[in-house]
Amino acid sequence: NAGVTQTPKFRVLKTGQSMTLLCAQDMNHEYMYWYRQDPGMGLRLIHYSVGEGTTAKGEVPDGYNVSRLKKQNFLLGLESAAPSQTSVYFCASRQALDTGELFFGEGSRLTVL
Amino acid sequence: GQNIDQPTEMTATEGAIVQINCTYQTSGFNGLFWYQQHAGEAPTFLSYNVLDGLEEKGRFSSFLSRSKGYSYLLLKELQMKDSASYLCAVRDSNYQLIWGAGTKLIIKP
Repeated sequence: NAGVTQTPKFRVLKTGQSMTLLCAQDMNHEYMYWYRQDPGMGLRLIHYSVGEGTTAKGEVPDGYNVSRLKKQNFLLGLESAAPSQTSVYFCASRQALDTGELFFGEGSRLTVL
Repeated sequence: GQNIDQPTEMTATEGAIVQINCTYQTSGFNGLFWYQQHAGEAPTFLSYNVLDGLEEKGRFSSFLSRSKGYSYLLLKELQMKDSASYLCAVRDSNYQLIWGAGTKLIIKP
């Protein structure tokens, strides 16, 4: 009963390093999202995908890249990490555009020194 | 611009009732959602309103007035496990969710 799984759960990076966050869902959902959550702010959409092989920019895409080569996986990459990217990252998925519920992963806490 | 407003923090007593308000200004409206988020955990879905009125689900109810750009989440018979943040989100004309910053609810014995 996995749902949405994110790896890694925690990571500390130095400025300029790169890394990839992996999101995997086993619910056959079409839509997948990457959000960041910062204190005092609502969840902000980084990038999203409406199906395998598609990606689109959200509200705060700068400094991030994504790929959706397989329907079940959505990768978020940081090419050159900056301290401003210190945040908690959540992946989410849903079956269709007009269905309500988003299913979230447990979150990935990233610290950039 | 798009804006979701909700109180930053509220305190209530175990067994009591609390109402968490949410006001919004968005480009289009395709539904309003409430999520619960315990500290260090992922948000989980609580309720969805797309038409005006009250939706009841057990101890939790959610109300929507589209003309006023207003919603509230009502929690009855509060339990200690209800201590969490409650996130209001509006789905806009592009079917994207716009999120409020959340209301941290503290339950005292």
